[in-house]
Amino acid sequence: DGGITQSPKYLFRKEGQNVTLSCEQNLNHDAMYWYRQDPGQGLRLIYYSQIVNDFQKGDIAEGYSVSREKKESFPLTVTSAQKNPTAFYLCASSGDRSYEQYFGPGTRLTVT
Amino acid sequence: AQSVTQPDIHITVSEGASLELRCNYSYGATPYLFWYVQSPGQGLQLLLKYFSGDTLVQGIKGFEAEFKRSQSSFNLRKPSVHWSDAAEYFCAVGALGYSTLTFGKGTMLLVSP
Repeated sequence: DGGITQSPKYLFRKEGQNVTLSCEQNLNHDAMYWYRQDPGQGLRLIYYSQIVNDFQKGDIAEGYSVSREKKESFPLTVTSAQKNPTAFYLCASSGDRSYEQYFGPGTRLTVT
Repeated sequence: AQSVTQPDIHITVSEGASLELRCNYSYGATPYLFWYVQSPGQGLQLLLKYFSGDTLVQGIKGFEAEFKRSQSSFNLRKPSVHWSDAAEYFCAVGALGYSTLTFGKGTMLLVSP
């Protein structure tokens, strides 16, 4: 079955550590996205990529980094510079000329 | 810049009653409009979308939405709500030439017996 996988579902880290969240898709989609979700805040765009080896900052990119070395993969690193990293992180993808986004199941990151 | 407003943070509906969730957008171009549903701790699932044409669109799970350009609205409706519809609903807007979507802050639907 085609879809988007995010791993792990739950992630715990100590403050000051970098952590990388995985996102893989087998939908052959060109574009991929990372969102952060906090209660009552909706979805806020962190980074997006429309093609391999290229990505753009979203609304809240500070403290995050990404790479897009393969079409299928778009990992997100939450760095120690992110002041409030505890959140639910969602990855999405969309096909060429398709504006609808398909979402993965999410990763809940807790930093203490 | 585009924006999406979902005026209701929470809505409670009795099982079997009709439902309408409101969505208003602000956009300069012709918008592409979406409704997504999210169960707790899960990703978002696309319910329906509007790109052009018939302003009343049908989606999955018995949902429909109507695009009203004059009111800048894209309200989601369902004639009879089931307990399994309890979830959070997000409206989103995009446009031709823009590669990102803007999401509303969501409406939490509670279904009472």
